[in-house]
Amino acid sequence: EVQLVESGGGLVQPGRSLRLSCRTSGFTFVDAPMGWFRQVPGKGLEWVGFIRNKAYGGTTEYAASVRGRFTISRDDSRGIVHLQMNSLKNEDTAVYYCTRGAAGYFWGQGTLVSVSS
Amino acid sequence: EIVMTQTPLSLSVTPGQPASISCKSSQSLLHRDGRTYFYWYLQKPGQSPQLLIYEASNRFSGVPDRFSGSGSGTDFTLKISRVEAEDVGIYYCMQGLDLSWTFGQGTRVDIK
Repeated sequence: EVQLVESGGGLVQPGRSLRLSCRTSGFTFVDAPMGWFRQVPGKGLEWVGFIRNKAYGGTTEYAASVRGRFTISRDDSRGIVHLQMNSLKNEDTAVYYCTRGAAGYFWGQGTLVSVSS
Repeated sequence: EIVMTQTPLSLSVTPGQPASISCKSSQSLLHRDGRTYFYWYLQKPGQSPQLLIYEASNRFSGVPDRFSGSGSGTDFTLKISRVEAEDVGIYYCMQGLDLSWTFGQGTRVDIK
C-alpha cells in the first residue's frame, strides 16, 4: 500500500523559513517523480512543483508563485522528499500535500502551514 | 498560463442518475509527444484529493468503472454513469502541458 506522510507544518512568521518532509512507503521511491501541491483551507488546489527521479536527472520544476523561494529535494536512500520554503509570505498559508507522481497519482494527508505575524 | 474553466460549479444529483462535468482549457493540451496531460480528481469531504482519470480518458487503478473521462484538445468531460452517495465532494480538472500546471475552480457534487 502506498503511503505518504507529510510533516513539518506549523505557524511561522512572514519572511522566515520552514522545511516540510514527506516520508514514503509501499512503492519504489527511486523510480518515482514526486510532487507538492497546496490548498488554502476552503479553496481550490494549486500545484507547487515536482522533482524528477534520478534517471531523469532529479531536476525540479516550480510554479511561478514559489520559484526562487521554494526548493524540492529528495533522499532516495530514505524514501523522503523535502520542500524547503524560504521567504515565506502570508499567501503561502495552505495545507501542503506530497504526491507520488508529478501529476498526483497518490496523495498524503497534508500538513498545514500558517504564515502570520 | 493555461486557464481551466469547469462547468457547472455545483451539481445536485439523484442517486442512480448520471452526472457530467465539463472542463475547457484556454489552449490545446495535446503535447508534441502525442499525449494529453489532462487529469480529473475528486476531493471527498475532509479528505485529500484522489486521482480518478489521467491523460484525459484513462481510469486510475481502483476507480469504479462508473467514472469515465473523454475529450481532446481543449474540451474534456467527466461522466458518472450512476451517481452513488460516496461520490459526493469536489471534482477538479488539471492540466500539465507546459510545466506550469493549473486546476479548474472545482465542481461541488452533492446528493439530492
